[in-house]
Amino acid sequence: QVQLRESGPGLVEPSGTLSLTCVVSGGSISGSHYWSWVRQPPGKGLEWIGEIFHRGGTNSNPSLKSRVTISVDKSKNQFSLELTSVTAADTAVYYCARLPSDSFDYWGQGILVTVSS
Amino acid sequence: QSVLTQPPSASGTPGQRVTVSCSGSSSNIGNNYVHWYQHLPGTAPKLLVYRDNQRPSGVPDRFSGSKSGTSASLAISGLRSEDEADYYCAAWDDSLSSRVFGGGTKVTVL
Repeated sequence: QVQLRESGPGLVEPSGTLSLTCVVSGGSISGSHYWSWVRQPPGKGLEWIGEIFHRGGTNSNPSLKSRVTISVDKSKNQFSLELTSVTAADTAVYYCARLPSDSFDYWGQGILVTVSS
Repeated sequence: QSVLTQPPSASGTPGQRVTVSCSGSSSNIGNNYVHWYQHLPGTAPKLLVYRDNQRPSGVPDRFSGSKSGTSASLAISGLRSEDEADYYCAAWDDSLSSRVFGGGTKVTVL
């Protein structure tokens, strides 16, 4: 059974960089899948952030593209998200998920990240 | 405002059939697959239906998806108390080059 778990700081200062890691267990990150990040601001719906293939190809939401970096560390079976120049609008629960083709089949439990001084 | 439009809420009594709609355009639903997710607060979202009408292993056949033109629907038959959750549709949008979600529909079991 594939499991994903997000980790990282729960509090980030405005204008800072949000950095999260998703550890994958029960399967190899080098499989034929994309690995993705999705977030949910408080009281709002889901928003796709971006995704990466294990060979490094990435794709991201045009509205966030200039601030998003997604990378993969195959040696640790994990992938990461960096979101720069954060504001209060980036406060959300951040989920990592697996994308075998065009739908997310496995998700992490999510991590709440608050942007505040 | 979400690219895919869903009603904010839907409800039914136990045993009833409830339908959640998802409206889009030719650049998303009209030309790409629709997927549905169930989300209970504080938990990981769960894939319910993929590629318009396919159910992953383990998802009860009480859940079914359909699509016509630029709209899609999720039907929940034999409604149960444990079905009370938020439901989201999702698709790829060719114009935006982005995955997009609906705003979510909260299903309440009365």
